[in-house]
Amino acid sequence: EVQLVESGGGLVQPGGSLRLSCAASGFTFSRYSMNWVRQAPGKGLEWLSYIRSSGGSIDYADSVKGRFTISRDNAKNSLYLQMNSLRAEDTAVYYCARVGPGTSGYYMDVWGKGTTVTVSS
Amino acid sequence: DIQMTQSPSSVSASVGDRVTITCRASQGISSWLAWYQQKPGKVPKLLIYAASSLQSGVPSRFSGSGSGTDFTLTISSLEPEDFATYYCQQATSFPLTFGGGTKVEIK
Repeated sequence: EVQLVESGGGLVQPGGSLRLSCAASGFTFSRYSMNWVRQAPGKGLEWLSYIRSSGGSIDYADSVKGRFTISRDNAKNSLYLQMNSLRAEDTAVYYCARVGPGTSGYYMDVWGKGTTVTVSS
Repeated sequence: DIQMTQSPSSVSASVGDRVTITCRASQGISSWLAWYQQKPGKVPKLLIYAASSLQSGVPSRFSGSGSGTDFTLTISSLEPEDFATYYCQQATSFPLTFGGGTKVEIK
């Protein structure tokens, strides 16, 4: 079964840091590009970051650029998001999502169940 | 950045109704558009990619059309399990952007 499982969320104070992980299984992780997407309580979906299958190309939303860092370890079938200088507005459910195969663009065909990050004092 | 605008933001419909949701991109995106369904407390689910390609396992009552800047998602005959929020997403360039969502509610 193709599966993504996020972990690492929790309660953190403003200005703090967290590292999210996403464990992939059921597919050849090294062949797929990946994204992080978040959803604030009661709000819509917000794309955060992209990393190519090889790790050679990375992009970020302006809202997290300079604060968040995406990375991957293909040997461990894992995706990461290092989040620094967290703000209250970063409170959200964070999803990792696989970029679909083929050449039909950066759509996301597999999503994890998400991990909740709460930034509050 | 490419802005994605969905309309309506919500729609009330009955089982069996035909429902159409529109998505407009602020600039041309060819056919690089995806549609997702999200039920309350659940994970987004890919329905349509490349504007009109049905994702494996998605019922055929869902269809997508459009290219350039204007796109539609149509549910031909609404089923009880289709009551959810639907999002479009441009899939051509970074930053990837989603529409604000359309909530399909029970009339």
